[in-house]
Amino acid sequence: DAGVTQSPTHLIKTRGQQVTLRCSPKSGHDTVSWYQQALGQGPQFIFQYYEEEERQRGNFPDRFSGHQFPNYSSELNVNALLLGDSALYLCASSLQGNLPQHFGDGTRLSIL
Amino acid sequence: DAKTTQPPSMDCAEGRAANLPCNHSTISGNEYVYWYRQIHSQGPQYIIHGLKNNETNEMASLIITEDRKSSTLILPHATLRDTAVYYCIVRAGDKIIFGKGTRLHILP
Repeated sequence: DAGVTQSPTHLIKTRGQQVTLRCSPKSGHDTVSWYQQALGQGPQFIFQYYEEEERQRGNFPDRFSGHQFPNYSSELNVNALLLGDSALYLCASSLQGNLPQHFGDGTRLSIL
Repeated sequence: DAKTTQPPSMDCAEGRAANLPCNHSTISGNEYVYWYRQIHSQGPQYIIHGLKNNETNEMASLIITEDRKSSTLILPHATLRDTAVYYCIVRAGDKIIFGKGTRLHILP
């Protein structure tokens, strides 16, 4: 039973570029949430997708956007990258948004 | 903003019980307490959750005070593999609000 998978595992970009991160939820799950984790901090909630719609959003600018596909997988897009966007991006899945969420091991994004 | 307070770090000898405290004095009546841990370079891992009764599973026990303003996660026989950051979370709607957690060091 595959857990949450994220790709790529590592990524290096430069300021101003755009990036797309991908997530496949745990089998049987239909809700995907995205988190940003800066070094030494706890994960911060970005947004949650359910039934292909953004259901909740944290305190992140519009540069952060997402999408959920009919197979429940999801993408996180970040435009106009800033140095401060360097972080570990975590995806978590659940059934109908209920806890507990199951997390992937994240994508480490570095902005130069 | 996180609604929980945890010590930034703790030490525990291998083989002993690790008791990790959490303060959640503003918890609402219908909010659960969840515990996750994050081992270096991995995503957070769910451990246990509870509402007002004590809970136990194969990983840990959760003790919640009667007034629900604090709780303790107990790892009965800590091993080196339990070295991680432990997060105590009070569910806020459908999203998880993480604090900075407790960094648990298991000493050989």
